[in-house]
Amino acid sequence: GQQLNQSPQSMFIQEGEDVSMNCTSSSIFNTWLWYKQDPGEGPVLLIALYKAGELTSNGRLTAQFGITRKDSFLNISASIPSDVGIYFCAGQPFNTDKLIFGTGTRLQVFP
Amino acid sequence: DTEVTQTPKHLVMGMTNKKSLKCEQHMGHRAMYWYKQKAKKPPELMFVYSYEKLSINESVPSRFSPECPNSSLLNLHLHALQPEDSALYLCASSQTRTYEQYFGPGTRLTVT
Repeated sequence: GQQLNQSPQSMFIQEGEDVSMNCTSSSIFNTWLWYKQDPGEGPVLLIALYKAGELTSNGRLTAQFGITRKDSFLNISASIPSDVGIYFCAGQPFNTDKLIFGTGTRLQVFP
Repeated sequence: DTEVTQTPKHLVMGMTNKKSLKCEQHMGHRAMYWYKQKAKKPPELMFVYSYEKLSINESVPSRFSPECPNSSLLNLHLHALQPEDSALYLCASSQTRTYEQYFGPGTRLTVT
């Protein structure tokens, strides 16, 4: 099925560093969502974005809905070991039930 | 409360078995979803139910049969599966079809 371009594919950072990842698409989206998934568990919703240009924070996480509606980014500030996992972006096109998922960014945090 | 529950957590079944996966939510959501996820891949949509009616079937083989008995429950009936069907099966729900989806913890299915 269709997937979004998500980068980077993986990141290896030191505890305390900031992290940035993004998703891009050739199509426009009505909604952008960011999820975190731990091994063997379901994705957990981190942030939902509904308006172009919207900037939303959830603790150390900040995400933005691109002004063109074709991209979104997620920043994590002052990373900690429990930030380890796979981060997925997901976009919902207009007038559809479906979520289009990004390919995922695998984050490793070293103490 | 944004909890979606799934049972069982793990399931091992033979290719001739019949089994069912169960999903439940009590958030009053009217859209429910089944996804299949292979290792290191994003979830792949299988089925969407909206107001207890099947609205999307992503060309899933008939050996997977979904059922939505009421607005809180979603089942996935499995019969004559293949080893390549082994995966993490995720259920999700949303307020309606165009709102954010909340996922359950998944059922790890192994077909032997």
